[in-house]
This record gives sequence, C-alpha cells and structure tokens, in this order.
Amino acid sequence: DAKTTQPTSMDCAEGRAANLPCNHSTISGNEYVYWYRQIHSQGPQYIIHGLKNNETNEMASLIITEDRKSSTLILPHATLRDTAVYYCIVREVQGAQKLVFGQGTRLTINP
Amino acid sequence: SAVISQKPSRDICQRGTSLTIQCQVDSQVTMMFWYRQQPGQSLTLIATANQGSEATYESGFVIDKFPISRPNLTFSTLTVSNMSPEDSSIYLCSVRSTGELFFGEGSRLTVL
Repeated sequence: DAKTTQPTSMDCAEGRAANLPCNHSTISGNEYVYWYRQIHSQGPQYIIHGLKNNETNEMASLIITEDRKSSTLILPHATLRDTAVYYCIVREVQGAQKLVFGQGTRLTINP
Repeated sequence: SAVISQKPSRDICQRGTSLTIQCQVDSQVTMMFWYRQQPGQSLTLIATANQGSEATYESGFVIDKFPISRPNLTFSTLTVSNMSPEDSSIYLCSVRSTGELFFGEGSRLTVL
C-alpha cells in the first residue's frame, strides 16, 4: 500500500507557483521522499527526492517538514506543460528499490 | 539517466491469446521492474526482474499469467498470457540507474 496521502486534484494559474502537498506521517528514518509526474500517455518522469533537507533542482523545489511527516513540491513558475499527475512516494534508502505509487494529484495549469 | 525502449508501443489483441512486451535499456542495469496501469488508475507493480534469478512477483500477480524473462543486464520481456479484456492496460518497464528509477513510455494493450 502507498504510504502517502495527496489531494486528488489541484488547479494553478500559468506563471504562478504550484505547491503540491503530501502527507507521509508513517515515514521511517531510512525512507526518502520522491516525486514523479506523469504527463498524459507518457511514462512517469522523475522530478526530485529528499531525505530531510530541502532540495532544489532545475525542475522544482522540495520542502520537507522538520518532523518529516509531510512535504511540499513547488513548481516555481508553472507552465501549461506542467499539467500532469504528480506522485509523492516514500522509498527505502536500502533494500527493495521498488516504488509503490498512490493515486497522485492531478495538477491542471490554467492559462 | 537511462533510455528505455518498449515494444510494441501499442497493440490490440483477441481474448485468449498471449502477448510479449520487450524492454530494452541503453545501459546495463541490475534491477528492472514491470508495472501495470489500468485505465484511469495509478501504477501497480507487477514484479521485479533481476538478471540471473527468477522474478519476484507482487501480491495478486503470478508467474503463469505474467511470465518474465531477464536474459541479460539490458533486456527483459513480460508476457501477458491468456488475455481477457480486464488485462487492457498500459504496461511499463522501469529500471534503476544512477540511483534513480526511470520509466519507458509504456505498451498500451487493448484486449477485445
């Protein structure tokens, strides 16, 4: 079973920051938080991951709360091409490398 | 990153037949995964395929229905056997490379 909870859908205006929340209250100390997205009819695309520190790359920023029970993915300047389903996943650092997907958040960027 | 090619990209099949989906990676990878995505649903892991050993299946998936081969570190196949309309899904291959998991574009299967 997925260990994360996300809103089913969200809307955001083009050019604004999109903030996607994720709850992972049962996360353990050896689990990363990963974010993937799936644009319609494509395979999932890796976005970012983190353990306990905030992370930023060319696609997004990941903010993890101090207790690690929740996180937020931030797309700083959303474009229409960011319309996709976004999946928040927790994954063990060691051991099984598989990803268990939840239902994700369907993000729609509006012009 | 790893570049993953899947064949076929889509197919329409008759019930009772079997279809083999191929996954080719442009680099050697230890771990490969097969997922299923039913219409309107999220991804569900079918099995983990490691070279030199039998695949490990997730709950609800069995080898007789979804036999997997992993002959080398760059290639794997998934067969969907004795298909029924309920098997209509996108089947995705995933690999672990440089610490991350990458996905192919999927094989969209429609069973009539």
